[in-house]
Amino acid sequence: DQQVKQNSPSLSVQEGRISILNCDYTNSMFDYFLWYKKYPAEGPTFLISISSIKDKNEDGRFTVFLNKSAKHLSLHIVPSQPGDSAVYFCAARRQGAQKLVFGQGTRLTINP
Amino acid sequence: NAGVTQTPKFQVLKTGQSMTLQCAQDMNHNSMYWYRQDPGMGLRLIYYSASEGTTDKGEVPNGYNVSRLNKREFSLRLESAAPSQTSVYFCASSGGQGGFGYTFGSGTRLTVV
Repeated sequence: DQQVKQNSPSLSVQEGRISILNCDYTNSMFDYFLWYKKYPAEGPTFLISISSIKDKNEDGRFTVFLNKSAKHLSLHIVPSQPGDSAVYFCAARRQGAQKLVFGQGTRLTINP
Repeated sequence: NAGVTQTPKFQVLKTGQSMTLQCAQDMNHNSMYWYRQDPGMGLRLIYYSASEGTTDKGEVPNGYNVSRLNKREFSLRLESAAPSQTSVYFCASSGGQGGFGYTFGSGTRLTVV
């Protein structure tokens, strides 16, 4: 049972436009959500996170939105840059747990 | 500050061979994890160690064993490699002042032929 789902395997966006990556989850016990970015031949690196008590968190060009009623979160990148081309993983933590559950990842390509 | 170090970076095994993937962290983290990444499957947890001296199965533990040698080191062993274990393996750690967010190693690309 895939508790965290990223239904879009890939996304292509023009440089300068907005990139929106989506993530859905099924477990209502998740209380913290994170996004990781992964370049080829490297390990994932932390990008941004949000607590379930908030509905928005912003860090520079990156904003994460959380809709708890829909069990949906999204990552917005504005404006998109070529260096944003990577695989993005959504992850969630169940309340009280240490381990994270990851989605399948979305490959974002920024076109010049 | 090296973070999380994985060795080797690449490995080719024949079916039935055994090997151990090494992982060490220098951030004084309590928890360590082994994940595998496969196309379309994302990152799946193999085993984890919440603290020194404890290990627990994750989502896909079959065919693997782990050892938490001390607080810094967490190794993953394949006793009899199978082609289905061809994957990219990531070690991660968390805890301390970093909270529960993970720091990942750079990965081991394993091919079993």
